[in-house]
Amino acid sequence: DIQMTQSPSTLSASVGDRVTITCRASQSFSSWLAWYQQKQGKAPKLLIYKASNLESGVPSRFSGGGSGTEFTLTISSLQPDDFATYYCQQYGAYPITFGQGTRLEIK
Amino acid sequence: EVQLVESGGGLVQPGRSLRLSCTPSGFPFGDYTVSWSRQAPGKGLEWVGFVRSKPSGATTEYAASVRGRFTISRDDSNRIAYLQMNSLRTDDTGVYYCSRGNTVPGAKYYFDHWGQGTLVTVSS
Repeated sequence: DIQMTQSPSTLSASVGDRVTITCRASQSFSSWLAWYQQKQGKAPKLLIYKASNLESGVPSRFSGGGSGTEFTLTISSLQPDDFATYYCQQYGAYPITFGQGTRLEIK
Repeated sequence: EVQLVESGGGLVQPGRSLRLSCTPSGFPFGDYTVSWSRQAPGKGLEWVGFVRSKPSGATTEYAASVRGRFTISRDDSNRIAYLQMNSLRTDDTGVYYCSRGNTVPGAKYYFDHWGQGTLVTVSS
C-alpha cells in the first residue's frame, strides 16, 4: 500500500496568512492526487484533483502542486472559512489511501 | 444539483450484518463510479471500496480491511448503490460516506461529491 504522510499534523495561522501543507508518498503514483477539506461533522469537500487542478467553485486562493512523491496544498491568504482539516488522497494505485489529516486552526 | 444521500446506519452487534444505501440525484447515475469511505470517531478518512459504472464494467475494488466481508453493488435502473457489510467488527464503527467517482482520461477516480454520511456503531 502507498502510505501518505502529511505535515504538519496541526498548523496554527492567522487570517491573511499564506500556508502550505505537504503530503509525502511512500512511492510514486504520477500525479493522481486529490486534496479535500473537511469541517467538523461535515462531509469532505474536494478542492484539488490531479495534483494541481482546481475543482469548480473552489476559490482561487487554493492551489496544489508537486509530483512524484511530494505534493503541496497552498492557501494564499487564509479566510475565516478555511479553518478546517485537510486531507490528501492518492488514487493512482489500489488501495486508495488518504493522509492522516492536517488540522488548520486559528492562532 | 448533485446530491448523494446515505441511509441504513445504526447500532449492530459484532458478527452481524448491515446494508447501507446511497441514493443519488442531479446527475446521470449510471455513468459514474460510486465509492464508499468511512471515518472512525475522531479519526481520519479511510477508503472502503467502489463499484465502477456499467460502461466501465461495473467491477469493484476494495480495501484489504473489508475485502471478503463487504460487498458494493449498484442498481442503475432504481438509481441506488449499496454497501453490504457482513461479519461486522467493533473497528468497523464510524461514519460511512458514499461519493461520486469522477475521472479524467486514465480511469483513475477521485471523489467530487460526497453524501452527508450515516453512522454505523458495532457494539454488543
